Amino acid sequence: AQTVTQSQPEMSVQEAETVTLSCTYDTSENNYYLFWYKQPPSRQMILVIRQEAYKQQNATENRFSVNFQKAAKSFSLKISDSQLGDTAMYFCAFMRVSDQFYFGTGTSLTVIP
Amino acid sequence: GAGVSQSPRYKVAKRGQDVALRCDPISGHVSLFWYQQALGQGPEFLTYFQNEAQLDKSGLPSDRFFAERPEGSVSTLKIQRTQQEDSAVYLCASSLAGTGGKTQYFGPGTRLLVL
Repeated sequence: AQTVTQSQPEMSVQEAETVTLSCTYDTSENNYYLFWYKQPPSRQMILVIRQEAYKQQNATENRFSVNFQKAAKSFSLKISDSQLGDTAMYFCAFMRVSDQFYFGTGTSLTVIP
Repeated sequence: GAGVSQSPRYKVAKRGQDVALRCDPISGHVSLFWYQQALGQGPEFLTYFQNEAQLDKSGLPSDRFFAERPEGSVSTLKIQRTQQEDSAVYLCASSLAGTGGKTQYFGPGTRLLVL
């Protein structure tokens, strides 16, 4: 079975600083996809970034980047120049090729002004 | 539409009542997913449609849960004889056709409270 672990239930960061959220997963599959989703208090889940396991290059989206370590089954999210609007729950998710999705338990991030 | 919409946004039910939750996916999205999110937890998969076909219902917690998508667009998740443990946020997501890691786009969810 696939499992996704987010070991940091809560984190905080000063505005304009950098923070890294960790995620590890367990799978025996070689092809899969990884995602980070953001869920603000309004509860609408928003895609932050995605990574294809077959790509060695780490994905980047503006201030958001990932550190994908396939052998270690690690997929961390780095947020640079943190903004107040980044305050939210962040979920790491693993997707099998068959589209089955598995979420971690989330990390609550607070950006402090 | 511009995004995935769900209705109602909030639902309070007495234990034993039946409820129906609606999801309108993004126009043109073939795949539709339902998730259950308990308080303080990540979403958990319930069921998956491709067009009108329900390809996976392995996550439905009991036979009181039933989902349908008769015309391949709008989907309804029905919960019969609700129990207190059914209280959760029910999320719907849709994605483009095919497998292979298509990004899922989520609706705002329906918060169900069973008293």
